[in-house]
Amino acid sequence: DIQMTQSPSSLSASVGDRVTITCRASQGISNYVAWYQKKPGKVPKVLIYAASTLQSGVPSRFSGSGSGTDFTLTISSLQPEDVATYYCQKYNSVPLTFGPGTKVDIK
Amino acid sequence: EVQLLESGGGLVQPGGSLRLSCAASGFTFGNYAMTWVRQAPGKGLEWVSTISGGGDGTFYADSVKGRFTISRDNSENTLFLQMNSLRAEDTAIYYCAKRGDGSGWSYFDYWGQGTLVTVSS
Repeated sequence: DIQMTQSPSSLSASVGDRVTITCRASQGISNYVAWYQKKPGKVPKVLIYAASTLQSGVPSRFSGSGSGTDFTLTISSLQPEDVATYYCQKYNSVPLTFGPGTKVDIK
Repeated sequence: EVQLLESGGGLVQPGGSLRLSCAASGFTFGNYAMTWVRQAPGKGLEWVSTISGGGDGTFYADSVKGRFTISRDNSENTLFLQMNSLRAEDTAIYYCAKRGDGSGWSYFDYWGQGTLVTVSS
């Protein structure tokens, strides 16, 4: 099975900072990657799908890029409401594996 | 408006069984594959199982294969997860999720609020 890794596992940044999270697949998966935001006690929310397509209603400070094995989620200007854990997910085939998550908080 | 409402969670002893339900509304249920995803306390998201729109295709994570059964009733717009031989490591919040648009496998664009399953003696 294809494994998904994420780095860093956690980060702390200031409001307004540019934040980048990396996701790597153990084999090529084209652009079949989604990114989710998960806040404690809340439902997961899709931010990006097809590696770079912004889900309707998601703020434009979120963006995604990559193809093949390496993918990136970028928050262009971190806001207090962005404190959450972010997960990448592959969906080229089953198993529909999630990455281990990156916890983002405010410095 | 798409709505997904899970039910059926609770406390069960190791080795026991539980059946989760997810009532769907706001979309043509039978046109979409549906999925169960879980999150154990303090852990990440884990894909559990997916069923095709017509119900003829079912897929499972290795961790639940042979113990869990996913099914659906398209006439009632309801998704199910029958969980047998439950283990402590199955303790988690279980979410049902709707497939996004497009062909083939997809991401999840709508999620239910989740139902908590606790396996403990």
